[in-house]
Amino acid sequence: AQSVTQLGSHVSVSEGALVLLRCNYSSSVPPYLFWYVQYPNQGLQLLLKYTSAATLVKGINGFEAEFKKSETSFHLTKPSAHMSDAAEYFCAVNNQGGKLIFGQGTELSVKP
Amino acid sequence: GAGVSQSPSNKVTEKGKDVELRCDPISGHTALYWYRQSLGQGLEFLIYFQGNSAPDKSGLPSDRFSAERTGGSVSTLTIQRTQQEDSAVYLCASSPSPTGELFFGEGSRLTVL
Repeated sequence: AQSVTQLGSHVSVSEGALVLLRCNYSSSVPPYLFWYVQYPNQGLQLLLKYTSAATLVKGINGFEAEFKKSETSFHLTKPSAHMSDAAEYFCAVNNQGGKLIFGQGTELSVKP
Repeated sequence: GAGVSQSPSNKVTEKGKDVELRCDPISGHTALYWYRQSLGQGLEFLIYFQGNSAPDKSGLPSDRFSAERTGGSVSTLTIQRTQQEDSAVYLCASSPSPTGELFFGEGSRLTVL
């Protein structure tokens, strides 16, 4: 069965600093991996998706994530945080057509 | 409609009552999911429908929970004999394919008194 672990339920960065949100997965088959974002009082929306085409995936709002099979990781990064990036971020894994399982989420705070 | 629609948006009920939550997915989407979001608990998978296949019910927390999807479109999540621990936001999402992007509704907030 697949599972997702997000390290750190809360991450706080200063505006302009690097954002790094960690995600590790387990899967018995090559996975599809996703990052979703939930802004305050809004629904979830897709940030980016890995489907085995390229290990470095670029998403919306300057975010990107790198698939590392050897580390079973799919960490989300952004070079320079903006106040508007404050939100909850969810990593998710899908075993090629099965159910999509989400991690516990990481709340990102951005300090001025 | 353009997006996933859920109703009611808010539901307050008394312990022991039954509730039904409805989800209208995006037309043509074959995959439909129900998740539960509680404070600090992330998104808990409940049930997954894909086309005409038997649903994956492995996330339903107890036999008080059930869901159906009629005609491959609208889905209803039913919670019988509600308990206070059922209080949460219930999210529905649909996708055009089993591995595609999920499109989420705004959720149904359930409060059990």
